[in-house]
Amino acid sequence: GAGVSQTPSNKVTEKGKYVELRCDPISGHTALYWYRQSLGQGPEFLIYFQGTGAADDSGLPNDRFFAVRPEGSVSTLKIQRTERGDSAVYLCASSSTGHLTDTQYFGPGTRLTVL
Amino acid sequence: ELKVEQNPLFLSMQEGKNYTIYCNYSTTSDRLYWYRQDPGKSLESLFVLLSNGAVKQEGRLMASLDTKARLSTLHITAAVHDLSATYFCAVLNTGNQFYFGTGTSLTVIP
Repeated sequence: GAGVSQTPSNKVTEKGKYVELRCDPISGHTALYWYRQSLGQGPEFLIYFQGTGAADDSGLPNDRFFAVRPEGSVSTLKIQRTERGDSAVYLCASSSTGHLTDTQYFGPGTRLTVL
Repeated sequence: ELKVEQNPLFLSMQEGKNYTIYCNYSTTSDRLYWYRQDPGKSLESLFVLLSNGAVKQEGRLMASLDTKARLSTLHITAAVHDLSATYFCAVLNTGNQFYFGTGTSLTVIP
């Protein structure tokens, strides 16, 4: 079956622009996570969805970042007024129920470059 | 904030040798995960450790968890080239947030 997919795979934008990053989780997975990975670092937690609701958004760095999952499947991470420091690989992961024993399946990531 | 440290950060080892990667974390947790990441690829789940003394093995990799010492180890037995990758540990806090270590970049030399 299909794994987690993310689009676009690469996004280059200019400072100050708005971007949207999309994540399609594995079908039927209720838990969805967004992470940001900078070069040479481990992934940094951003937000966790359980179904349609954001169960924990405490990892979002500031109010320029926002994520939605309106129907409990596809999620979109939105970044307003992008800054050069936002450049990173944005990873999405999903798991079956969000239970701590569940395996998280990661997508290939979206590489965001802010010029 | 929970901190997760891995060492070594870089590891170069010969095929056939054994080695251990260490993962220390700063606050109480009994939920520890190991992942593998190949260059330019996403993360692949390796092990889920959910209790003190938990040990999991898959092929040449074995992971263990000591919650009292706040330490997990990933032991590599008789390394082969295919194991070359970056290995991350991650700790889950009570808020269901994953905190990842900085990773250990492993290169296995033929």
